[in-house]
Amino acid sequence: RKEVEQDPGPFNVPEGATVAFNCTYSNSASQSFFWYRQDCRKEPKLLMSVYSSGNEDGRFTAQLNRASQYISLLIRDSKLSDSATYLCVVNTGNQFYFGTGTSLTVIP
Amino acid sequence: DAGVTQSPTHLIKTRGQHVTLRCSPISGHKSVSWYQQVLGQGPQFIFQYYEKEERGRGNFPDRFSARQFPNYSSELNVNALLLGDSALYLCASSLYGGSGIYEQYFGPGTRLTVT
Repeated sequence: RKEVEQDPGPFNVPEGATVAFNCTYSNSASQSFFWYRQDCRKEPKLLMSVYSSGNEDGRFTAQLNRASQYISLLIRDSKLSDSATYLCVVNTGNQFYFGTGTSLTVIP
Repeated sequence: DAGVTQSPTHLIKTRGQHVTLRCSPISGHKSVSWYQQVLGQGPQFIFQYYEKEERGRGNFPDRFSARQFPNYSSELNVNALLLGDSALYLCASSLYGGSGIYEQYFGPGTRLTVT
């Protein structure tokens, strides 16, 4: 079983839409959780850390459910510039495990 | 402040050769991690170094090795290159290493092509 699994995607949504990504992790001892954004042929960039109480940054909301071992990312009022691949990341022990990423395309 | 820097940006090597990739972390960061990313996949963890000691190793063969220098920069070495080693190699910098809660920041990567 993979350490981290993400929605397969791709997601194609119109501008202004709300879109949600989910990610599950297998190790209950995982300690920290993140969402990264990766543009084509670029490096991943940290989007948000995910806290137990959930956290929001502008149009982005991240949530963690430890009981069900999943994390989510909600993007409201999608912009064309949100088009990218979104990677969920789980830190277990001394390793960071990345999901395969979910591709988002926001359509005018 | 400068972010994470990596060199070279692109590299073409032949099967069987050896390659050395370099990374300088963000000033003040003491940990460097290395990842391999093949097209269509998320980054795969190779190594983590913190305070010049190896703190983690992913599921990669012994052909892959790394080290961290007193100034916290790092090198990733790959011996006996295979076609399957062609990938984007990413370096990530963080304040801390090992277990715990901390964020990683990535460099632009080195794109390695093995022919």
